[in-house]
Amino acid sequence: KQEVTQIPAALSVPEGENLVLNCSFTDSAIYNLQWFRQDPGKGLTSLLLIQSSQREQTSGRLNASLDKSSGRSTLYIAASQPGDSATYLCAVHTDKLIFGTGTRLQVFP
Amino acid sequence: EPEVTQTPSHQVTQMGQEVILRCVPISNHLYFYWYRQILGQKVEFLVSFYNNEISEKSEIFDDQFSVERPDGSNFTLKIRSTKLEDSAMYFCASSRQGGSSPLHFGNGTRLTVT
Repeated sequence: KQEVTQIPAALSVPEGENLVLNCSFTDSAIYNLQWFRQDPGKGLTSLLLIQSSQREQTSGRLNASLDKSSGRSTLYIAASQPGDSATYLCAVHTDKLIFGTGTRLQVFP
Repeated sequence: EPEVTQTPSHQVTQMGQEVILRCVPISNHLYFYWYRQILGQKVEFLVSFYNNEISEKSEIFDDQFSVERPDGSNFTLKIRSTKLEDSAMYFCASSRQGGSSPLHFGNGTRLTVT
């Protein structure tokens, strides 16, 4: 059974820091991996999708990497801003999306 | 850009009542999903639907739940007799194909059972 875990569970950093959020999964038989952002009480905003054949994807200040064989993905956020404060979820796609536990990020000015 | 829309955004109901949550998937998508997120917990898979039938359901999706695509555009989740523990955010998603095709999520319906 696929299990997705995210570390750390919560993170509080000053503005300007570069951050790494971690995601691990137990079964490497995935189609792709997606990173989402969720603001409190709100929906899921897709940030990046990495296909299983890819190693990384970039969008602006975000870079996500995927090492399928070791069951790991990282989300790198460069030059963090207070507006980045949210919960970040990773999800692996088998025949459905299986979500991780999330990392709650707070960036303070 | 086309998007998945869900209505209502917030629904309050009394325990034991039936509720129907509505979703309009992206028009050329063929696969439909419901997920739920209890406050402070993970987003959990409930059910997937393709070709007018359920393709997979989780252990959460018991006999109290049903899904339907009553016409060419809507996709509904019905909870027959709501319980307090059904209070959660319910997300609808759709994808163009199965397999590696990305899922697109709606903004969710917050269901509060009192």
